[in-house]
Amino acid sequence: ETGVTQTPRHLVMGMTNKKSLKCEQHLGHNAMYWYKQSAKKPLELMFVYSLEERVENNSVPSRFSPECPNSSHLFLHLHTLQPEDSALYLCASSPSTEPFRDSPLHFGNGTRLTVT
Amino acid sequence: AQKVTQAQTEISVVEKEDVTLDCVYETRDTTYYLFWYKQPPSGELVFLIRRNSFDEQNEISGRYSWNFQKSTSSFNFTITASQVVDSAVYFCALSEGGSSNTGKLIFGQGTTLQVKP
Repeated sequence: ETGVTQTPRHLVMGMTNKKSLKCEQHLGHNAMYWYKQSAKKPLELMFVYSLEERVENNSVPSRFSPECPNSSHLFLHLHTLQPEDSALYLCASSPSTEPFRDSPLHFGNGTRLTVT
Repeated sequence: AQKVTQAQTEISVVEKEDVTLDCVYETRDTTYYLFWYKQPPSGELVFLIRRNSFDEQNEISGRYSWNFQKSTSSFNFTITASQVVDSAVYFCALSEGGSSNTGKLIFGQGTTLQVKP
């Protein structure tokens, strides 16, 4: 079983749809992250949760709504997206948000999102 | 402002060749961390190495080696005797080391490495 699991792997949605991305980590970590990877652009941090509390919202539009019900699960709720939101959405976890003294981020396989 | 530059967009080599992936970073912090990640076609980013700003020792791990030079703000990655399985996108990333850091990694654009048989 991989450390960080994301579902679905692929998602196609219309601009008026509502969908959710799911991330689950089996590493006992306390911090979870959402990153966005668009074509031809560096990875961008979207949200950070530490012990189920959001500690960073990196100027992300409100059509993206994160939820962290517990330290093992992280969701990204999507509604009224735009075609430019099409990207690979990567979830990651780390033992804490301390600056990587002991462990780096562990990433999932990502969800490939296409907005039509 | 922090920035990571990977000037090589794509590199193609033949198996068993050595290849170096360049990474140049910018930061005003005295404490920071540098990373390399590998992203195979399956999508997940695989951690390769972390280096803190106070440790300039070069590191070797099997066929992989890293050359960290603060004087030129570079953290280059060399694969010796490349193999087809090394084909992937490689990302260099930078993180501040202060207590205000909340996991924000600044990534470079990535270098796509293709190793041909």
